[in-house]
Amino acid sequence: GAVVSQHPSWVICKSGTSVKIECRSLDFQATTMFWYRQFPKQSLMLMATSNEGSKATYEQGVEKDKFLINHASLTLSTLTVTSAHPEDSSFYICSAREPVSYGYTFGSGTRLTVV
Amino acid sequence: QKEVEQDPGPLSVPEGAIVSLNCTYSNSAFQYFMWYRQYSRKGPELLMYTYSSGNKEDGRFTAQVDKSSKYISLFIRDSQPSDSATYLCAMITGFQKLVFGTGTRLLVSP
Repeated sequence: GAVVSQHPSWVICKSGTSVKIECRSLDFQATTMFWYRQFPKQSLMLMATSNEGSKATYEQGVEKDKFLINHASLTLSTLTVTSAHPEDSSFYICSAREPVSYGYTFGSGTRLTVV
Repeated sequence: QKEVEQDPGPLSVPEGAIVSLNCTYSNSAFQYFMWYRQYSRKGPELLMYTYSSGNKEDGRFTAQVDKSSKYISLFIRDSQPSDSATYLCAMITGFQKLVFGTGTRLLVSP
């Protein structure tokens, strides 16, 4: 089946620094990828839709300048959390949609802790 | 009103029990319905997806969709401790975005 690889699985960074999270579709090309944020015991909240070769579409309330998304190729999307603060600490998950079926495959998630 | 409603649980059952998980939704435009399983600190894993109303079976799992009632269900037969996880229902909007329920935490005790 389709596999989406997300890296790193966890990261700790200092306040004010930036962190990059990578999301790769390993065995299929993904023109569209999605980035979610999940707080403990809560559901996934869509942050943005990443489109290959064009600007990402952000959900209402998500700061574009803080959460930079780049979809440079058909298999790679990155999320950069800029000038991170402790309130940015969360579980970030990416997803890619297979071009043929409606199977949305998720990465294993990245736990970000800002200290 | 949320677009998708799901009881957060937790739902505790003994091993071997039949588990019924449910979601209701308000948007009649939803066409594709999915169930995901999420273990702690992991990404969601697709279990089942169905199109429109009807039933779909895969091993111990059965997904049901009743569009007239805006109600979907996931049944797990012969539940195992390894089934302990959070189960999320999800639906696709016209903009190809997934809308998730809050998730139901399931605990299967040996």
